[in-house]
Amino acid sequence: QKEVEQNSGPLSVPEGAIASLNCTYSDRGSQSFFWYRQYSGKSPELIMFIYSNGDKEDGRFTAQLNKASQYVSLLIRDSQPSDSATYLCAVKGGATNKLIFGTGTLLAVQP
Amino acid sequence: EAGVVQSPRYKIIEKRQSVAFWCNPISGHATLYWYQQILGQGPKLLIQFQNNGVVDDSQLPKDRFSAERLKGVDSTLKIQPAKLEDSAVYLCASSPGTGGLDTQYFGPGTRLTVL
Repeated sequence: QKEVEQNSGPLSVPEGAIASLNCTYSDRGSQSFFWYRQYSGKSPELIMFIYSNGDKEDGRFTAQLNKASQYVSLLIRDSQPSDSATYLCAVKGGATNKLIFGTGTLLAVQP
Repeated sequence: EAGVVQSPRYKIIEKRQSVAFWCNPISGHATLYWYQQILGQGPKLLIQFQNNGVVDDSQLPKDRFSAERLKGVDSTLKIQPAKLEDSAVYLCASSPGTGGLDTQYFGPGTRLTVL
């Protein structure tokens, strides 16, 4: 079982819709959870992070954690074509305290 | 504030040749990371430095890869000899290293192609 799993996509949503991105993680001791956005040919850029104690909203972005199911989600409201990118979920803490990345989900927002 | 700087941005070499990458972290960041990102995959940590000491190099192929961070600032990652499967983007990241969240910030990466 991979440590952090994401559906590779592509996830296609129309402009203005809500995009829902998900990832699952295997280490129950994980403490912090990150979402990075990576445009093609560019480096990862941090969008949001949450601790194990709660969800977080920042503008159009909401990160949610379900500890019981070991599941993290990122919701993007009012999706824009400029949101089209690969979204990497990363998890830290637990056994190694390393930042472990998933393979990313490609989001395509259709104008 | 300047971000993480890496050079070169692109490198093409033949297998069995050697190559070196350089990284300058964000000023004041104590922790420096080198990641390897193969096309279609997430970044994989190769080595983590705290100041000039190695914290984690468990996934560094030490028979061919080496890294150093002299004086606790900039760092070099070397591959010698390179293999075809080393073709990837090599990302350097830095973080304040103050514990807690310790968010990592990535440089632009070096895209390595091994022919």
